[in-house]
Amino acid sequence: DGGITQSPKYLFRKEGQNVTLSCEQNLNHDAMYWYRQDPGQGLRLIYYSQIVNDFQKGDIAEGYSVSREKKESFPLTVTSAQKNPTAFYLCASSPRQGSNTGELFFGEGSRLTVL
Amino acid sequence: GNSVTQMEGPVTLSEEAFLTINCTYTATGYPSLFWYVQYPGEGLQLLLKATKADDKGSNKGFEATYRKETTSFHLEKGSVQVSDSAVYFCALSTMDTGRRALTFGSGTRLQVQP
Repeated sequence: DGGITQSPKYLFRKEGQNVTLSCEQNLNHDAMYWYRQDPGQGLRLIYYSQIVNDFQKGDIAEGYSVSREKKESFPLTVTSAQKNPTAFYLCASSPRQGSNTGELFFGEGSRLTVL
Repeated sequence: GNSVTQMEGPVTLSEEAFLTINCTYTATGYPSLFWYVQYPGEGLQLLLKATKADDKGSNKGFEATYRKETTSFHLEKGSVQVSDSAVYFCALSTMDTGRRALTFGSGTRLQVQP
């Protein structure tokens, strides 16, 4: 089945540690995105990538880093510089920019808790 | 800039009641409009969409009409079920400086009681 796979589903981290969240898609989509979701708030864009080896900061990129070495993969690293990392993280993808109406396809999310 | 405003929840209804969740927007350019649904512990799924004025998106008994004159995209369902309990997000998409930008509302939690 085509889709987006995020792992792990739950992750616990001690303060001062970096953690990496995995996102893999087999939809052959060009664009991939990372969003953060906090209780009672909408989704906020962290980073996005329109093509392999290229990515751009979103609205809340500070304390996060990404890479896009393969079309299928877009891992997110939450660094120790992120002051409040406890949140639900959602990865999404979409077909080539400009040839679609903006619909995103989401993974099931990763919940990160800092102890 | 772009923004989406949704009615605050939670919205609590009895089974078979009529549902309306209000959504209004401001946008530069001509947006596409979406409703996404999020079930507990899961990611978001597209529920319906509309890409131009007066279009009606529909799916699973839910409907929303793109109203350019009132900048609204209200979600409706004639008879809700317990299985409709979820968080609903209104969103818009525009092309912004060469990239597509998607803006989400804060979400409205729907609780349907048997």
